[in-house]
Amino acid sequence: DTAVSQTPKYLVTQMGNDKSIKCEQNLGHDTMYWYKQDSKKFLKIMFSYNNKELIINETVPNRFSPKSPDKAHLNLHINSLELGDSAVYFCASSQEGGLNQPQHFGDGTRLSIL
Amino acid sequence: DAKTTQPTSMDCAEGRAANLPCNHSTISGNEYVYWYRQIHSQGPQYIIHGLKNNETNEMASLIITEDRKSSTLILPHATLRDTAVYYCIVRTRGSQGNLIFGKGTKLSVKP
Repeated sequence: DTAVSQTPKYLVTQMGNDKSIKCEQNLGHDTMYWYKQDSKKFLKIMFSYNNKELIINETVPNRFSPKSPDKAHLNLHINSLELGDSAVYFCASSQEGGLNQPQHFGDGTRLSIL
Repeated sequence: DAKTTQPTSMDCAEGRAANLPCNHSTISGNEYVYWYRQIHSQGPQYIIHGLKNNETNEMASLIITEDRKSSTLILPHATLRDTAVYYCIVRTRGSQGNLIFGKGTKLSVKP
């Protein structure tokens, strides 16, 4: 059983398109996150959601919007894709988002913009 | 935010213990030390975390010094599959509990 699953695993698309990445967790966690890993391999937080409420939003362009239909899902919508959006996007989840609760990650979605 | 310092890379012989050091001299009393690893092309994998006391689980042991300014992750019997980048992270309220990843230590386990 995969705890945190993302789809698709690979996404190749053209500049200017709109795309979505889905994330589901079956751990019963109530906080979910999106991270971005760029070509230099730095992992950075983008968003987190707790009980359908956005609680963190780093300096991410508003072309990126997280949407949570329920506690087990946090999807990432990206509008007007740009070349610089090429990266690996990781979804994660944790219980309550507290300092003593580890985050568990999915295997990533590799986004390539042509 | 408490920052961490790790060696860029380390080698370890297969079957031997791998000891990965981390300095976090600015850590505050209520901040946790977390260890994750990332095996090539996979998502970060949680290993272990601790506050003050030493911790052990099925994957590793975490030794935190008494002053909490440094810690060591111990993989007791390294295998080739343990080759990965290992991240030591101090999780703080200032970063709203988010994981702030640095460059980590590239551990190469060799036969």
